[in-house]
Amino acid sequence: AQSVTQLDSHVSVSEGTPVLLRCNYSSSYSPSLFWYVQHPNKGLQLLLKYTSAATLVKGINGFEAEFKKSETSFHLTKPSAHMSDAAEYFCVVSVNTNAGKSTFGDGTTLTVKP
Amino acid sequence: GAGVSQTPSNKVTEKGKYVELRCDPISGHTALYWYRQSLGQGPEFLIYFQGTGAADDSGLPNDRFFAVRPEGSVSTLKIQRTERGDSAVYLCASSLRPTANEQFFGPGTRLTVL
Repeated sequence: AQSVTQLDSHVSVSEGTPVLLRCNYSSSYSPSLFWYVQHPNKGLQLLLKYTSAATLVKGINGFEAEFKKSETSFHLTKPSAHMSDAAEYFCVVSVNTNAGKSTFGDGTTLTVKP
Repeated sequence: GAGVSQTPSNKVTEKGKYVELRCDPISGHTALYWYRQSLGQGPEFLIYFQGTGAADDSGLPNDRFFAVRPEGSVSTLKIQRTERGDSAVYLCASSLRPTANEQFFGPGTRLTVL
């Protein structure tokens, strides 16, 4: 069984300040973890993924995430928010024994204030 | 290159009717996925195909839902005797292989059951 909990449904930051979107996962096997972003009226786009290589993963648009097995977490961060980062963010887990079945979190809405 | 396309973009139907939703994956992608996204929630896994066969259909909510991919490319999600609770955005995604690869998402079909 696998599950994902995104700890904040809404996060609001000022432009130029750091972003932290929190994600905890549960998995019976070694997980693969992903962050996707969904801008209004746009399709889901992959930001980054962890697949048992380096625990600190760098993605597009300056985002990165760190896999912490001891904390079962995969939090998404960015040093400095940009207005264009305003979107819905989803944390996703899948397991290698059934890699086709991905479980999404409920999403975090990021608002960036000028 | 062409991404994942879904038709129609919007579908309004009456309770009890039958609907078909179509997905055209990226050429060469062997894995295809269907998700359902209700308002305020993350995408919920329905089914995924590896080639022509449904490798995991454990997410289909009941026997009113069925999906096919007869030639290993285009897929159709079929919903019989639609109910108001079926109203959601239905997302399709494809990937090269179902082994923790990036999934490329289509724009979705918004289904409204009156």
